[in-house]
Amino acid sequence: NAGVMQNPRHLVRRRGQEARLRCSPVKGHSHVYWYRQLPEEGLKFMVYLQKENIIDESGMPKERFSAEFPKEGPSILRIQQVVRGDSAAYFCASSPRIGAVDPSGNTIYFGEGSWLTVV
Amino acid sequence: AQSVTQPDIHITVSEGASLELRCNYSYGATPYLFWYVQSPGQGLQLLLKYFSGDTLVQGIKGFEAEFKRSQSSFNLRKPSVHWSDAAEYFCAVGAIGANNLFFGTGTRLTVIP
Repeated sequence: NAGVMQNPRHLVRRRGQEARLRCSPVKGHSHVYWYRQLPEEGLKFMVYLQKENIIDESGMPKERFSAEFPKEGPSILRIQQVVRGDSAAYFCASSPRIGAVDPSGNTIYFGEGSWLTVV
Repeated sequence: AQSVTQPDIHITVSEGASLELRCNYSYGATPYLFWYVQSPGQGLQLLLKYFSGDTLVQGIKGFEAEFKRSQSSFNLRKPSVHWSDAAEYFCAVGAIGANNLFFGTGTRLTVIP
């Protein structure tokens, strides 16, 4: 996981503001995943992106949340009009291949996380 | 439906004692199983994985886990716990072709002197 870079590591936002979390995958990885960890809970899948494509967004809240992974630059998770319930750790992971697991058992590489606090 | 259950929310053990963290899964495909460790305020580190072959797998930091298909379990063990093992431990399951990993809710390990 050493190569997945997330920033900011800690972010404080007031209710109603926007939060933008950035994720630079391991060099050469073209697949990015976002997970959310609410307090005292495990990680929940949010979205899976390939460069310029959203592959699976089944875990994304229907409103206020969006994600992108442009051809150039980091992946961005954007949360509009944040509420206190958005306070959580947001983890990014990357992979060089399609899917979270390959036949050799290799899986996705996680970053250090971004902790969002909404006050 | 896919799910991962870690029945123990919090476990306390004495340093030097043995440890077993439980994980049960429900998954519709051939499961690939993982254990991760998370120190406070940190990201996830992969401890070990199982995907085929020998059902007893060895990982980093002296951890091992045993896959029992009949019990749908993948319990994590360590013979002698060190104070530095205090952390949150997550079990996860995935499969070839799946878009994500499913995580359990975690077990917090406290190590007392």
